[in-house]
Amino acid sequence: ETGVTQTPRHLVMGMTNKKSLKCEQHLGHNAMYWYKQSAKKPLELMFVYNFKEQTENNSVPSRFSPECPNSSHLFLHLHTLQPEDSALYLCASSHDSGGGTAQYFGPGTRLLVL
Amino acid sequence: DAKTTQPNSMESNEEEPVHLPCNHSTISGTDYIHWYRQLPSQGPEYVIHGLTSNVNNRMASLAIAEDRKSSTLILHRATLRDAAVYYCILRDASSNTGKLIFGQGTTLQVKP
Repeated sequence: ETGVTQTPRHLVMGMTNKKSLKCEQHLGHNAMYWYKQSAKKPLELMFVYNFKEQTENNSVPSRFSPECPNSSHLFLHLHTLQPEDSALYLCASSHDSGGGTAQYFGPGTRLLVL
Repeated sequence: DAKTTQPNSMESNEEEPVHLPCNHSTISGTDYIHWYRQLPSQGPEYVIHGLTSNVNNRMASLAIAEDRKSSTLILHRATLRDAAVYYCILRDASSNTGKLIFGQGTTLQVKP
């Protein structure tokens, strides 16, 4: 498998559920990202990891909890979400997080919170 | 990161070249110009990026004005699969935050 993969592709959860989104990159990159895309809004960066260390948290509520066990895997743990958290969650990776490097995105997980 | 300005929408005919403009009059000397596109119901896709010189790859060409205050993404022969939202984004080479700030982009419609 190549590129950036995300599972599941679709997820429906209640506000009291706990679920996790998984991202895996097969590109040998050292930086990984979570983005959120709500309907009719631009993409918003949530978290950045460099060499497994979190280097950016863009004021994301604590009900979203990222985990990066190694440079190839990134998780987003979800608990007690709100309906307004329904969105497309995208993972990306890049060789490093510098301004001259390209980011490669996965297909996203479409999340619906009921 | 400096701001970019793009037209909201453009139309093209299939198999014709497309020139997508981007203005970035407040660009700094260390800002890279990146282009991404997002097809319907998909994640964004990297297209091309450059600093000062024009760049070519298998997807597109990037023409950068001499004063760097504007740039143009060129699709040499548009296909129906090129219909997408195209984003022009500046990223500071000295920044290590990895932050990509997506604006509204240009919605490209390709007519058969």
